[in-house]
Amino acid sequence: LAKTTQPISMDSYEGQEVNITCSHNNIATNDYITWYQQFPSQGPRFIIQGYKTKVTNEVASLFIPADRKSSTLSLPRVSLSDTAVYYCLAGGYNKLIFGAGTRLAVHP
Amino acid sequence: DTAVSQTPKYLVTQMGNDKSIKCEQNLGHDTMYWYKQDSKKFLKIMFSYNNKELIINETVPNRFSPKSPDKAHLNLHINSLELGDSAVYFCASSQGRGGREAFFGQGTRLTVV
Repeated sequence: LAKTTQPISMDSYEGQEVNITCSHNNIATNDYITWYQQFPSQGPRFIIQGYKTKVTNEVASLFIPADRKSSTLSLPRVSLSDTAVYYCLAGGYNKLIFGAGTRLAVHP
Repeated sequence: DTAVSQTPKYLVTQMGNDKSIKCEQNLGHDTMYWYKQDSKKFLKIMFSYNNKELIINETVPNRFSPKSPDKAHLNLHINSLELGDSAVYFCASSQGRGGREAFFGQGTRLTVV
């Protein structure tokens, strides 16, 4: 099972870059790495997904080293509205395992 | 137009009752999920259906029974509700099995008293 481990919480300030690392030592060959964002009283929202190397979209970048045992979500120039819980997910055909989530607090 | 909708949004019921939560998606996805989020915010998958076929059935009490009448619907029926069942239940859908971008509903907050 690709269990994931993330920091429980992080603090940042507006305009800074935030990097959240997720450990998934037992990731399977077919597993993708996906990150979700969750605001209070809402369902998780997809941010980005990757398999290896680097993936970038309009809101974030995802860095995955060659051994795929970890991944790093990078949020450029965060704002107050990025305050949320971020979940790392390593999943494949038969298992979808969410990490405990990282509570990111962005301060003015 | 909501992509994944759950009803009800809030559900308060007494121990021992039977209740259902409905979920519908209008995204044309072939895979649907039920997740449980407890008070500590841990998200755990309960069930997953692909084309109406059960593909993930985690260690969930038999009191929980999912039903998928068609690809667009996945309902969750819970028998003999217990205090420990109190949580937020999320429905989600995706195209393809596991590890793909999933769209979540707004959640159903179940409180058992």
